Amino acid sequence: NAGVTQTPKFQVLKTGQSMTLQCAQDMNHEYMSWYRQDPGMGLRLIHYSVGAGITDQGEVPNGYNVSRSTTEDFPLRLLSAAPSQTSVYFCASSYSVAGDTQYFGPGTRLTVL
Amino acid sequence: GQQVMQIPQYQHVQEGEDFTTYCNSSTTLSNIQWYKQRPGGHPVFLIQLVKSGEVKKQKRLTFQFGEAKKNSSLHITATQTTDVGTYFCAGVTGGGNKLTFGTGTQLKVEL
Repeated sequence: NAGVTQTPKFQVLKTGQSMTLQCAQDMNHEYMSWYRQDPGMGLRLIHYSVGAGITDQGEVPNGYNVSRSTTEDFPLRLLSAAPSQTSVYFCASSYSVAGDTQYFGPGTRLTVL
Repeated sequence: GQQVMQIPQYQHVQEGEDFTTYCNSSTTLSNIQWYKQRPGGHPVFLIQLVKSGEVKKQKRLTFQFGEAKKNSSLHITATQTTDVGTYFCAGVTGGGNKLTFGTGTQLKVEL
């Protein structure tokens, strides 16, 4: 099993550009989530999904969209990138609910100029 | 909303010294999880505590969950250079679907 995979590993955008961060898992996990990590602020929840077709907002959802058309994939879309979105983004999945063990992907380091 | 704070933010120790990080939640948690993130890596699950007052050990690591289920601690005995990293606690409230992470404690171990 590959576990949780994320692409790309690194990305540089200009302000106003859009892009999609990809996340996939091959463990048949129902729960998937996106976090951003900034120095001194820990991991903050952006969006999460409890299963295909179901998504909801986390702590910091503004500027980000998600969809969950399959169990395996949970892409994160930045519609109009801003410098404040410079961060490291982690995707995570777990068997069923938020309280299960979370398996994290390797992360995407995003810089918005 | 729920807030989870950790102290200290940073800790430098000499190899062989003990280390403790504390996690405090503004609300009662149904369970608490602990993760370790090595420099440049991603968070990796260490353990989960569910019961009030629960204590679990993993070799040199001791985890505690408070009686009120609002705080937790991680204690490392006789630190080693392999313990370097950032330690996060994370909790879910009641039947919620959101896992809130603490601010993390960065541990550096010097020889």
